[in-house]
Amino acid sequence: DQQVKQNSPSLSVQEGRISILNCDYTNSMFDYFLWYKKYPAEGPTFLISISSIKDKNEDGRFTVFLNKSAKHLSLHIVPSQPGDSAVYFCAASRMDSNYQLIWGAGTKLIIKP
Amino acid sequence: GAGVSQSPRYKVTKRGQDVALRCDPISGHVSLYWYRQALGQGPEFLTYFNYEAQQDKSGLPNDRFSAERPEGSISTLTIQRTEQRDSAMYRCASSRPGRSETQYFGPGTRLLVL
Repeated sequence: DQQVKQNSPSLSVQEGRISILNCDYTNSMFDYFLWYKKYPAEGPTFLISISSIKDKNEDGRFTVFLNKSAKHLSLHIVPSQPGDSAVYFCAASRMDSNYQLIWGAGTKLIIKP
Repeated sequence: GAGVSQSPRYKVTKRGQDVALRCDPISGHVSLYWYRQALGQGPEFLTYFNYEAQQDKSGLPNDRFSAERPEGSISTLTIQRTEQRDSAMYRCASSRPGRSETQYFGPGTRLLVL
């Protein structure tokens, strides 16, 4: 049973426009959510996170939205830049599980010039 | 160090051999996690250390897999009698004291069992 799902394997966005990456989860007990960005041949790089007690967290061009009733979170990148082209992973964790991360399968974002 | 380091970056071994994968976490990070990632999927949890104590090993797939962190810093993941199905990317992550919710990852070790 996949607890964290990223249903879009890939997404193509024009440079300068908004990129929206989506993530759904099934376990209502998750209390922390993270987005990681991964370039080829590198490890995942932490991007932004949100606690379950919040519905929005913003950091520069990156904003994460959490809709707990829908068990859905999204990452908005605006404006999108060529360097944003990467695979984006959504992950979730619970404090009572030592914050072990449960991951989605990733979405490959391609920013077109 | 500046980031989490892992060695070797690539390991090719023959079925039945033992392998040891090393993780050197960020200095001062007390929590350390091992994950395994198959192609096209997200990482899956293997085991967790808080300082030198292995507090959760529920993700280790079988008793051929073991991990240690004897001095609360460097950790070694050992796979005995490797099988082809063990081929994967093995990732290590560490987190700061009191901030285990945010983990920082190393580049991973790509293991190929022939």
